Amino acid sequence: EAQVTQNPRYLITVTGKKLTVTCSQNMNHEYMSWYRQDPGLGLRQIYYSMNVEVTDKGDVPEGYKVSRKEKRNFPLILESPSPNQTSLYFCASSKGWDMNTEAFFGQGTRLTVV
Amino acid sequence: ELKVEQNPLFLSMQEGKNYTIYCNYSTTSDRLYWYRQDPGKSLESLFVLLSNGAVKQEGRLMASLDTKARLSTLHITAAVHDLSATYFCAVDKVGNEKLTFGTGTRLTIIP
Repeated sequence: EAQVTQNPRYLITVTGKKLTVTCSQNMNHEYMSWYRQDPGLGLRQIYYSMNVEVTDKGDVPEGYKVSRKEKRNFPLILESPSPNQTSLYFCASSKGWDMNTEAFFGQGTRLTVV
Repeated sequence: ELKVEQNPLFLSMQEGKNYTIYCNYSTTSDRLYWYRQDPGKSLESLFVLLSNGAVKQEGRLMASLDTKARLSTLHITAAVHDLSATYFCAVDKVGNEKLTFGTGTRLTIIP
């Protein structure tokens, strides 16, 4: 089954404790991205990746890192989480940016930083 | 900077009624998308609209795009409870490599 898988689904952590949210897709998609969803703000892009070893900042990259060492995986790293990073996070993938195809979204990770 | 506005933000409607959700965007865009999100769930793609005048329909939902007015509409016909969800529109532009989302419309269908 074609899917984007995020882990964990729920995470409560303390300020400053490094964490990683994993994202994996099995569709051989080139393009992957991370979004955060906050009430009243819709989804905002954090980082995106056009292909392996190619990443770039989205609208709200501060406090986050990503890597794309393999095509299927695109982890989101919070080196020193803060309470303002409490949010619902979604990973998404699509075939490629110029192919007029929609993005497929993971199930989401609800992160609480206390 | 590309901005996307949806209205209304909240919508309660009775079953069987028709209604329209509006999506305005601020600058020229190449593609417009509609997504559905059920509570606690991920986003599900509904429609991709690529050109001026594009119209797509799936069941009781119909989406259209007017690129000159920078407006897309999502029309709901004879609403049923199963359509209760939050609906997002999103736009992108070739060379921009990102989706810009609207704030979403939370739709509640009342029996």
